[in-house]
Amino acid sequence: EIVLTQSPATLSLSPGERATLSCRASQSISDSLAWYQQKPGQAPRLLIYDASLRANDIPGRFSGSGSGTDFTLTVSSLEPEDFAVYYCQQRSTGGITFGQGTRLEIK
Amino acid sequence: QVTMKESGPLLVKPKETLTLTCTVSGFSDRLGVSWVRQPPGKALEWLAHIFSSDEISYTSSLKTRLTISKDASKSQGVLTMTDMDPLDTATYYCARIRRVFGSGLYMFDSWGQGTLVSVSS
Repeated sequence: EIVLTQSPATLSLSPGERATLSCRASQSISDSLAWYQQKPGQAPRLLIYDASLRANDIPGRFSGSGSGTDFTLTVSSLEPEDFAVYYCQQRSTGGITFGQGTRLEIK
Repeated sequence: QVTMKESGPLLVKPKETLTLTCTVSGFSDRLGVSWVRQPPGKALEWLAHIFSSDEISYTSSLKTRLTISKDASKSQGVLTMTDMDPLDTATYYCARIRRVFGSGLYMFDSWGQGTLVSVSS
């Protein structure tokens, strides 16, 4: 089973700042990675798939990059509604796994 | 537009079997249905998915306790989990799972609102 490790666990920033979230895979997964946003009391929402492709209706301030074992989700300029928990997810022959999440909080 | 909605018991006793139903609008035979759970304050955990009777996958740690199925006539997906334990207390989500041909990624692009299932005597 591939383990996804997200860092930092918590990121404290102000609106308008740039956020950079990391996800590291325990072995290479090429570009087979997705990112989700989850707000309190809500289901997750797909943001990015195939490491860098935005899902439908996702604002352009969200971008993904990386391949192999190291991936990044960037929010170029934080809006108040972006403060949430973010998860990365992969699928391999060993199954589907999620990272433990990064909480993006208002500073 | 696909929408998903979970239903099932809010409370089960230890050792009992949990049965959850996912009602899907926009159901099709090719629809992939998956279940993901989230214990309170913790991360997401994929449990199982089904594309067809020939294409079913379970998380290895719970494989012996899970059964997933689809009923096209009812536009539903169903998950059963046997031998429930208090550690299984979680919000259970059903989600549409889609394959991205080329990369091999499976992604969840439509989610139900989730249902909180508590396990307690």
